[in-house]
Amino acid sequence: DTEVTQTPKHLVMGMTNKKSLKCEQHMGHRAMYWYKQKAKKPPELMFVYSYEKLSINESVPSRFSPECPNSSLLNLHLHALQPEDSALYLCASRGASGGNEQFFGPGTRLTVL
Amino acid sequence: QKEVEQNSGPLSVPEGAIASLNCTYSDRGSQSFFWYRQYSGKSPELIMFIYSNGDKEDGRFTAQLNKASQYVSLLIRDSQPSDSATYLCAVTSGGYNKLIFGAGTRLAVHP
Repeated sequence: DTEVTQTPKHLVMGMTNKKSLKCEQHMGHRAMYWYKQKAKKPPELMFVYSYEKLSINESVPSRFSPECPNSSLLNLHLHALQPEDSALYLCASRGASGGNEQFFGPGTRLTVL
Repeated sequence: QKEVEQNSGPLSVPEGAIASLNCTYSDRGSQSFFWYRQYSGKSPELIMFIYSNGDKEDGRFTAQLNKASQYVSLLIRDSQPSDSATYLCAVTSGGYNKLIFGAGTRLAVHP
């Protein structure tokens, strides 16, 4: 089973709202990732969590706040976003042993009005 | 800045033909190489990975890696219209298996 789930599938929010994206995997993977993908562009890495610790922050603005409550769950808290933050937000996870393959969830399509 | 380069396409092939997609990368330290398929409006799906020089086959897909030339390719045999998608090449660079993606090649398989 290589399933990563993400909720919600779609999210529309105003610039003053606070919302959260959720990602879950039950494969025992110990590394989890947030990516942002704009239309007709490749995914861009935002954050990496390894063993529930934030390991990489790719200079992401503080209006994006990641959280890893446990080894299966990853959240992305959103606050005071801008219209240019509208994108597909992808979560991925990677196994701790064996291969280095990253598996993506279905993504959350975010629209900021 | 580490880079991964792909032709953006579109690469148009007739049904039943072999589609050949290519990718070059700049980081000589890269160890792992991936091909993802992405349909419009969907998330990337891992279809092939390769870690050693040479060829790796899985069904209709063959990945080829040449670390000396810093070159990765994907061959799709007996192409089907359902293979029409954007193919993303990704390589690891740096710690925590950070992935660097190419811009993607759009493949169109016509009946």
